[in-house]
Amino acid sequence: QLQLQESGPGLVKPSETLSLTCIVTGDSITSGSYYWGWIRQPPGKGLECIGSISYSGSTFYNPSLSSRIIISMDTSKNQFSLTLGSVAAADTAVYYCAKRSSGRWDFDNWGQGTLVTVSS
Amino acid sequence: DVQMTQSPSSVSASVGDRVTITCRASQGIAGWLAWYQQKPGKAPNLLIYAASSLQSGVPSRFSGSGSGTDFTLTISSLQPEDFATYYCQQANNLPWTFGQGTKVEIK
Repeated sequence: QLQLQESGPGLVKPSETLSLTCIVTGDSITSGSYYWGWIRQPPGKGLECIGSISYSGSTFYNPSLSSRIIISMDTSKNQFSLTLGSVAAADTAVYYCAKRSSGRWDFDNWGQGTLVTVSS
Repeated sequence: DVQMTQSPSSVSASVGDRVTITCRASQGIAGWLAWYQQKPGKAPNLLIYAASSLQSGVPSRFSGSGSGTDFTLTISSLQPEDFATYYCQQANNLPWTFGQGTKVEIK
């Protein structure tokens, strides 16, 4: 059974870089059947798509964040990562990684989420 | 970006009630709409995809309909485990966007 698990620091200082990793178990991230995404949710608020990476490594970034984000994959570790630079308090959120299946346009499998707080 | 507006923002209902949540897109999105359920402290869980297709393992009391700009999620007979927040999500245009959520509360 495919599972996703986010990992990374829970506290980041303003202006610094947030780095999160999503470890995938149960299948290969290079399987042509899957695409991988990051979604965040500020405390008490709604959901925002950050970006995604395909099984072949092509990426899409939300234009509102594109100048600050990089999504990459490490096939040797079967994981993909999010880097968000120049963070501010507004980037405080629960960050989720999720999977989309080929031919589908929704996220059908999510990690449990990790809270990242931006504070000095 | 495509704006997704859900109504109501919250609804109070009793076990056994029929509950309907609507989602309106700021422009046509064909049938590229999904619905998620989220419980406190948990990740969202996919209920409906492609506007009306029931995700595997989701109870049949959940159903979705609509196309273009107007969509609905219906819970035919509310169960205790259904008290949660529900989100719609469009996938017709990048970036994908979500509605602001509808909280279903116990009356």
